[in-house]
Amino acid sequence: DQQVKQNSPSLSVQEGRISILNCDYTNSMFDYFLWYKKYPAEGPTFLISISSIKDKNEDGRFTVFLNKSAKHLSLHIVPSQPGDSAVYFCAAGNAGKSTFGDGTTLTVKP
Amino acid sequence: NAGVTQTPKFQVLKTGQSMTLQCAQDMNHEYMSWYRQDPGMGLRLIHYSVGAGITDQGEVPNGYNVSRSTTEDFPLRLLSAAPSQTSVYFCASSPFGGDSPLHFGNGTRLTVT
Repeated sequence: DQQVKQNSPSLSVQEGRISILNCDYTNSMFDYFLWYKKYPAEGPTFLISISSIKDKNEDGRFTVFLNKSAKHLSLHIVPSQPGDSAVYFCAAGNAGKSTFGDGTTLTVKP
Repeated sequence: NAGVTQTPKFQVLKTGQSMTLQCAQDMNHEYMSWYRQDPGMGLRLIHYSVGAGITDQGEVPNGYNVSRSTTEDFPLRLLSAAPSQTSVYFCASSPFGGDSPLHFGNGTRLTVT
């Protein structure tokens, strides 16, 4: 039973537009959520996080929204840039262990 | 600064062989962990450590051993390699676990034939 799901394997957007990546989870015990970005042949790098006590966190072009009642979070990238093209992983954590989704490949077209 | 260093980058093993994947970090992080990533899938936690001398199992620990004798190093041992262990392995560290973000190495791509 997959506890963290990213239902869209891929997303393509035009440069300058908004990218919205979605993530659903089933375990209500998760108390923190993170997004990581991964380029080919590299390890994931941390992008942005949010605690379960908040519903929004913003860092520059990146905003994460958390809807606890729906067990859903989303990552908004505005404006999208070609360098944002990568695989994005959603992760949810509790007691020091993070569970990852399968990732969404974002392609930003110039 | 090196961050998290994994060696080797690539490895091919025959079924039944054993080997150790090395992981070292120079950030004085207490928490270290090993993940595997299979094609089209997310990262699954194999083992983790919250400090020297302390290790625990993650989601997929079978077939792997770990030890943490120093803060810096967290090797992953494959006892008897199987084709199902063909994967990309990532080591990660963070200052104290919990909600502190993970710093990942660049991975070891392992093929078991």
